[in-house]
Amino acid sequence: NAGVTQTPKFQVLKTGQSMTLQCAQDMNHEYMSWYRQDPGMGLRLIHYSVGAGITDQGEVPNGYNVSRSTTEDFPLRLLSAAPSQTSVYFCASSPFVGPYEQYFGPGTRLTVT
Amino acid sequence: KQEVTQIPAALSVPEGENLVLNCSFTDSAIYNLQWFRQDPGKGLTSLLLIQSSQREQTSGRLNASLDKSSGRSTLYIAASQPGDSATYLCAVRGRDSGGSNYKLTFGKGTLLTVNP
Repeated sequence: NAGVTQTPKFQVLKTGQSMTLQCAQDMNHEYMSWYRQDPGMGLRLIHYSVGAGITDQGEVPNGYNVSRSTTEDFPLRLLSAAPSQTSVYFCASSPFVGPYEQYFGPGTRLTVT
Repeated sequence: KQEVTQIPAALSVPEGENLVLNCSFTDSAIYNLQWFRQDPGKGLTSLLLIQSSQREQTSGRLNASLDKSSGRSTLYIAASQPGDSATYLCAVRGRDSGGSNYKLTFGKGTLLTVNP
């Protein structure tokens, strides 16, 4: 199993550009989520999904969009990038929604200039 | 609102020393607590998961304890090695404010440096 994979590893965007961060898992996990990690802030939940076709907002959803058309993939879209979205983004998954162990991807480091 | 605090923020020890990392949380209504390790520029690696009904979990040189009623967890690392140098994150899982989601709340981490 590859586990949770994320692409790209690094990305630089200009303000106003849009892009999609990719996340995939091969463990047949129902629950997937996106976090951002900022210095001094810890990890914060952006969006999550409890299964294909079902998504919901987390703690800091503004400026981001998600969809879940398959169990394996959970892309995160930045609609119009802003410098405040400069961060490290992590995708995570667990077997089901509930108190299960979370598995994290390697992260995408995004810089918006 | 759940808040997770990790003390100390940074710790530097000589190789071979036993050490303890601390994690405290404000809401004791949790389902479990998970300790992660994060190497610089890398993702999070799960170390130990303690369910709310458990008191401790062990994996190799690592031992994590949980005292849910007092809102505390400790991660004990025995015979530390330079390869243990990393940031250690504590996260608790509980219900969110709407009661519909199992929210994972992270601490800000402890940066551990083990000197040869």
